[in-house]
Amino acid sequence: EPEVTQTPSHQVTQMGQEVILRCVPISNHLYFYWYRQILGQKVEFLVSFYNNEISEKSEIFDDQFSVERPDGSNFTLKIRSTKLEDSAMYFCASSPMDRGNTDTQYFGPGTRLTVL
Amino acid sequence: ELKVEQNPLFLSMQEGKNYTIYCNYSTTSDRLYWYRQDPGKSLESLFVLLSNGAVKQEGRLMASLDTKARLSTLHITAAVHDLSATYFCAVDRRNSGNTPLVFGKGTRLSVIA
Repeated sequence: EPEVTQTPSHQVTQMGQEVILRCVPISNHLYFYWYRQILGQKVEFLVSFYNNEISEKSEIFDDQFSVERPDGSNFTLKIRSTKLEDSAMYFCASSPMDRGNTDTQYFGPGTRLTVL
Repeated sequence: ELKVEQNPLFLSMQEGKNYTIYCNYSTTSDRLYWYRQDPGKSLESLFVLLSNGAVKQEGRLMASLDTKARLSTLHITAAVHDLSATYFCAVDRRNSGNTPLVFGKGTRLSVIA
């Protein structure tokens, strides 16, 4: 069964450093998302991406964040200058365009980001 | 702003017992999703409920949606240890599919012998 994959599984970085989190969505999906989950808290939406551009972003997704689809398969989230409060699990998700029963968002395994 | 409230947030139940998790949301929507998360793992899709009165069942779990009451329930029948996990409900922000999901805080279920 196709699945969303993410790399790395765990990233440790120093405050102020740039990180890039990578995702490979399911191949025939057209909508892509990033969410994050601070330890023990609920899952929060960051940004959605469709047709090679951001379709929606939350107030969390400020100027230090950016997303890119550099080729036909990868979808990346860049954090330019990490802060301690960016420490969280970051999930990538994708969904097909069908608005019926198959428009569930499928989540990747996540990247645990630790900022020291 | 769409709010999604789950209760209880923590649930400890004995094997073999039944229980219900509730998910209330604050705006009109007929698209609701249930996910399961094991510790340190990703979110696994359990149910997609797309209309008022929708009911879906998988094994010992049954989910339903009442859009008039803005309420979804996840019913657990004869719980077993393998069901121990955190369960999240989520609602489409704009009720149109392929839009950001707003999640509840999750219900941490622990099934004990």
